[in-house]
Amino acid sequence: DAMVIQNPRYQVTQFGKPVTLSCSQTLNHNVMYWYQQKSSQAPKLLFHYYDKDFNNEADTPDNFQSRRPNTSFCFLDIRSPGLGDAAMYLCATSRDRSGEQFFGPGTRLTVL
Amino acid sequence: AQSVTQPDIHITVSEGASLELRCNYSYGATPYLFWYVQSPGQGLQLLLKYFSGDTLVQGIKGFEAEFKRSQSSFNLRKPSVHWSDAAEYFCAVGANGQNFVFGPGTRLSVLP
Repeated sequence: DAMVIQNPRYQVTQFGKPVTLSCSQTLNHNVMYWYQQKSSQAPKLLFHYYDKDFNNEADTPDNFQSRRPNTSFCFLDIRSPGLGDAAMYLCATSRDRSGEQFFGPGTRLTVL
Repeated sequence: AQSVTQPDIHITVSEGASLELRCNYSYGATPYLFWYVQSPGQGLQLLLKYFSGDTLVQGIKGFEAEFKRSQSSFNLRKPSVHWSDAAEYFCAVGANGQNFVFGPGTRLSVLP
């Protein structure tokens, strides 16, 4: 089945230690998104790629970066995680920017 | 820019009872409307979507939603709730060429 895969499902890192979260898709969608979701809140869009074009949300901290080396993969890099960055990170894809989004299962990040 | 409100933060219903979750949006043109469900620790799963046409939309798991332009609403309904429906429900609005805006979510609890 076509799907969105996120690895790892659970990630523990130390305060200030860089971490990379991975997302891959078999849907061949043009758009890939990264969301941050804290407990009992709606997902918050960090950035998205439309094909190779990177689009950063205005309020996304510089500490968060992303890479999309090819259509299938997208990475979220957190350069110096703080305690406030502990959250669920969701990857999603869509054929175009306003169409339905398909979500991965998420990566739960813990910062010690 | 579009916006979404979900007036009910938390709803509790008895198993077998009917359910209606409210969603109101603000957007100048006809939006694309979505309902997603999220179980604890999981990603978001699409329940149903509205792009155009028939204003009563059928989705998965026995859910339906009705688009009412005059009320700027897209309420989610289910005639008989099952214990497995307990989850967080998010309404989302998309617009042509623009990213999703998620509502704050409604947490559904189901009493046995």
